[in-house]
Amino acid sequence: RKEVEQDPGPFNVPEGATVAFNCTYSNSASQSFFWYRQDCRKEPKLLMSVYSSGNEDGRFTAQLNRASQYISLLIRDSKLSDSATYLCVVNPMNRDDKIIFGKGTRLHILP
Amino acid sequence: NAGVTQTPKFRILKIGQSMTLQCAQDMNHNYMYWYRQDPGMGLKLIYYSVGAGITDKGEVPNGYNVSRSTTEDFPLRLELAAPSQTSVYFCASSYSQGSGGYTFGSGTRLTVV
Repeated sequence: RKEVEQDPGPFNVPEGATVAFNCTYSNSASQSFFWYRQDCRKEPKLLMSVYSSGNEDGRFTAQLNRASQYISLLIRDSKLSDSATYLCVVNPMNRDDKIIFGKGTRLHILP
Repeated sequence: NAGVTQTPKFRILKIGQSMTLQCAQDMNHNYMYWYRQDPGMGLKLIYYSVGAGITDKGEVPNGYNVSRSTTEDFPLRLELAAPSQTSVYFCASSYSQGSGGYTFGSGTRLTVV
């Protein structure tokens, strides 16, 4: 099992729809989780952290399921500007303690 | 607030040439990183530094070298460029390694021909 795995997509979703995607991780000892957003030909930017109890930031909801070892990102009322690649990031709590980036899920919002 | 500044933004190198990718941050972060991202692929860690004078290899260090003489600067040196080094290079910094709050530079697009 890969350390961090994401469905590469692309997800093609009409504007206004709700879309969700998951990310699985292999190390059950992982402690912290994040979602980054990367626009085409741009650098990744932190979108939100993922807390154990789940958290919202406007139209975005992040959730963690430790039992099944996955995190999810839900986007409600999607906008054209949400089109991007969403990177799942996990802190595996290994010896080096460096975070691991997933390869990303591409999202296209269709007008 | 400049954040993380990378130069140059674009570069074309011939096989066998050398160059240095510059990276500077003004957030007083101790931790700095170099990643490469190939088309349609994830970020791969090349080198990282936990503070001035300390560097360590990441996942794909071959063909690269780094130095960290100051907290602010973390240049990446390519010696004897090869076509396999064609990629987008991102420098990043963070307050701590596991915090997840990485700030990235805007990247350097390198083509080796």
